[in-house]
Amino acid sequence: NAGVMQNPRHLVRRRGQEARLRCSPMKGHSHVYWYRQLPEEGLKFMVYLQKENIIDESGMPKERFSAEFPKEGPSILRIQQVVRGDSAAYFCASSRYGASDSEAFFGQGTRLTVV
Amino acid sequence: AQTVTQSQPEMSVQEAETVTLSCTYDTSESDYYLFWYKQPPSRQMILVIRQEAYKQQNATENRFSVNFQKAAKSFSLKISDSQLGDAAMYFCAYRSAEDMRFGAGTRLTVKP
Repeated sequence: NAGVMQNPRHLVRRRGQEARLRCSPMKGHSHVYWYRQLPEEGLKFMVYLQKENIIDESGMPKERFSAEFPKEGPSILRIQQVVRGDSAAYFCASSRYGASDSEAFFGQGTRLTVV
Repeated sequence: AQTVTQSQPEMSVQEAETVTLSCTYDTSESDYYLFWYKQPPSRQMILVIRQEAYKQQNATENRFSVNFQKAAKSFSLKISDSQLGDAAMYFCAYRSAEDMRFGAGTRLTVKP
């Protein structure tokens, strides 16, 4: 049973381009969470999705950022018109039952570099 | 497969008592960092404590301390004088120059 798979592991984009980060949850998991790692080692919550629905996007920047989790396929975090400040590591996690779960599993992250 | 293992999916502690959360990891690196994060219902991940692998002294932050056993690759978190606000999910994490991995989490309940 593969863990949470994130790809690509490293992504380089020029300013103004679009970045697409993918997250395939563990088998049987329908809840996905996206986090951005801050320079001071913190992880900032961005968005919580359950198959085809956004449950909580309180941590998402109002512009340029969007997320989806379609019925089929991975969850996608999309950043349009990237800027240097978007450079960070982005992690996703998945769980089976959501907030009541006692376990969540993290992917290895995607490191986005904007040049 | 994950290389950070938290063997206790759920733990419970009485208010004012002490609880220890376990974490083991696997690595061939000699230079790395270890972290404990707290995740309250807001889903924010709050850094509780960090330990540099090259430091022998166990890190301490107020009521939180770790027992870092490098040879055994063990990194447990001790919470003293537990408070109701300590109730949360706790994640152990490992970070090297190129990699960051998390444990599956331990849900801590604090009983009044």
